[in-house]
Amino acid sequence: QQQVKQSPQSLIVQKGGIPIINCAYENTAFDYFPWYQQFPGKGPALLIAIRPDVSEKKEGRFTISFNKSAKQFSLHIMDSQPGDSATYFCAASKGGGGNKLTFGTGTQLKVEL
Amino acid sequence: DTAVSQTPKYLVTQMGNDKSIKCEQNLGHDTMYWYKQDSKKFLKIMFSYNNKELIINETVPNRFSPKSPDKAHLNLHINSLELGDSAVYFCASSQASGYTFGSGTRLTVV
Repeated sequence: QQQVKQSPQSLIVQKGGIPIINCAYENTAFDYFPWYQQFPGKGPALLIAIRPDVSEKKEGRFTISFNKSAKQFSLHIMDSQPGDSATYFCAASKGGGGNKLTFGTGTQLKVEL
Repeated sequence: DTAVSQTPKYLVTQMGNDKSIKCEQNLGHDTMYWYKQDSKKFLKIMFSYNNKELIINETVPNRFSPKSPDKAHLNLHINSLELGDSAVYFCASSQASGYTFGSGTRLTVV
């Protein structure tokens, strides 16, 4: 049972483009939605996170949009760069960032010159 | 200084062997985890400890036994290794602001 569904599985954009990665969750008890970025040979690293009381959060070039009624959230990367090429995971948890995370299946992003 | 460190980084072993992976965090976090990342990069929680006590065991075969001697350490021992155990194993620690992952241990069972 996949509680957090993520799409697309892979994505190729040109430098400067705006890749969008989408996630949908089932458990309405989830109240913390982070995004993690993973480079080859490294562990996932927290990129940005949102709670359901806001519909959007922006940190630098990364923006999360959150739609509570649809149980969906997405990551937008503005002015994407080749250095953004990585695997991105959405996740969800109950009770905050220190609790058990359920991860999406990951999106492999490649930003081409 | 590395926040969450795992050793070894690579582990190649034969079926049937027993092996251990060690993890240490210097962040002062109370909660530590083991996650398994398969060949399709899917991350699945295996165990979670809070201040040395097991709080999550996600139906992992009992060949896998975590041990937490203190809240800064969480080790993973695997008995009778099988081909299907080949994966990358990540240790992590957490507080309210989120998780910090180690760099992973790539286990290959041949």
